[in-house]
Amino acid sequence: GQNIDQPTEMTATEGAIVQINCTYQTSGFNGLFWYQQHAGEAPTFLSYNVLDGLEEKGRFSSFLSRSKGYSYLLLKELKMKDSDYYLCAVRDSNYQLIWGAGTKLIIKP
Amino acid sequence: NAGVTQTPKFQVLKTGQSMTLQCAQDMNHEYMSWYRQDPGMGLRLIHYSVGAGITDQGEVPNGYNVSRSTTEDFPLRLLSAAPSQTSVYFCASSQTWEAGYEQYFGPGTRLTVT
Repeated sequence: GQNIDQPTEMTATEGAIVQINCTYQTSGFNGLFWYQQHAGEAPTFLSYNVLDGLEEKGRFSSFLSRSKGYSYLLLKELKMKDSDYYLCAVRDSNYQLIWGAGTKLIIKP
Repeated sequence: NAGVTQTPKFQVLKTGQSMTLQCAQDMNHEYMSWYRQDPGMGLRLIHYSVGAGITDQGEVPNGYNVSRSTTEDFPLRLLSAAPSQTSVYFCASSQTWEAGYEQYFGPGTRLTVT
């Protein structure tokens, strides 16, 4: 079966750095996405990785290792408003997105 | 641009009732999809469409029908509602189904079946 694993919940301090991990086992791989979701609202796109390495976008970076089936989302200079759910999704061999259950990130002052 | 719109925002149904969740996008996107999101689980694909007149089943299609008569609209029909269909439903669209294109989500429909 296909599986995406991410931690259920993480806590970090305002101003610090946090790394949210995602491991996957899917039938094929055609890219990995990170989305942000306010509770009960629509997910919004954060980043996309298809080749190994780091993609940086301001305070957010995403890393991919295809050989390890592993990605992480790195958030720097954390702000209180970064408290949210972060979703990892992999596009499989049929180009369908398989989603993780999401990580709830709590930022404390 | 309104993006992806969904109606209604909230709905309560009795077991056995049928209804249609509406979804429309104004970005001329080829690919549209319906997901359901349940607590503690990832988004699960119900049905998807790669263009007008073309639909296919996702991971959890039972109890749902779709059609795509125009590029803009992709309604989801619940044939005979069951309590197991209580969920938040999201419609999403992207330029194409190919790799690299992000999906844009509608605001969601919160459905309760009693």
